[in-house]
Amino acid sequence: AQSVAQPEDQVNVAEGNPLTVKCTYSVSGNPYLFWYVQYPNRGLQFLLKYITGDNLVKGSYGFEAEFNKSQTSFHLKKPSALVSDSALYFCAVRDYAGGGADGLTFGKGTHLIIQP
Amino acid sequence: KAGVTQTPRYLIKTRGQQVTLSCSPISGHRSVSWYQQTPGQGLQFLFEYFSETQRNKGNFPGRFSGRQFSNSRSEMNVSTLELGDSALYLCASRPSLNTEAFFGQGTRLTVV
Repeated sequence: AQSVAQPEDQVNVAEGNPLTVKCTYSVSGNPYLFWYVQYPNRGLQFLLKYITGDNLVKGSYGFEAEFNKSQTSFHLKKPSALVSDSALYFCAVRDYAGGGADGLTFGKGTHLIIQP
Repeated sequence: KAGVTQTPRYLIKTRGQQVTLSCSPISGHRSVSWYQQTPGQGLQFLFEYFSETQRNKGNFPGRFSGRQFSNSRSEMNVSTLELGDSALYLCASRPSLNTEAFFGQGTRLTVV
């Protein structure tokens, strides 16, 4: 079974400061890891993914995430936050052992609030 | 390229009725999956179709069913609606099984 934990319901950051949204995962095999963002009354927008390769993954809108296998973490980061980054962020995992056919398992989501 | 299109965007149904939701994937994408989003349970996987075959199913009752057509368009059906089925239903498509999924805007279903 696969699972994702996002330990913070809400993260508050001042505009211009660096931000981190935390994610830890559990899978029986190797993970495919994803970050999505959701704005009010909208679907999910893909930000970035880790499949294999470099542990530091760069994505859309200046976001990046670092895959840490020993800590089973995939934290989302951005060096300088913008007010427009305020949204609901989801971490998701898929177990590679399923051949990619498994559904995504999502965390509960973290509300990111960037204060001007 | 057009994104994933879900219709209708909003729907109000009465308890006991049935409903069909539609999803048109991104052109060339053969995999379509469905998710339910509620405030209490978050995002939960319903099922995934690839080349008209259901590849995987989440932990939902048999009232939830789906299908995929030869043009990759997919429909999801919920029979005997319950109040707890009120949710945002999201469809996602991807070109193959080892890639990221792209989501539609969702269909907001309200059961009264």
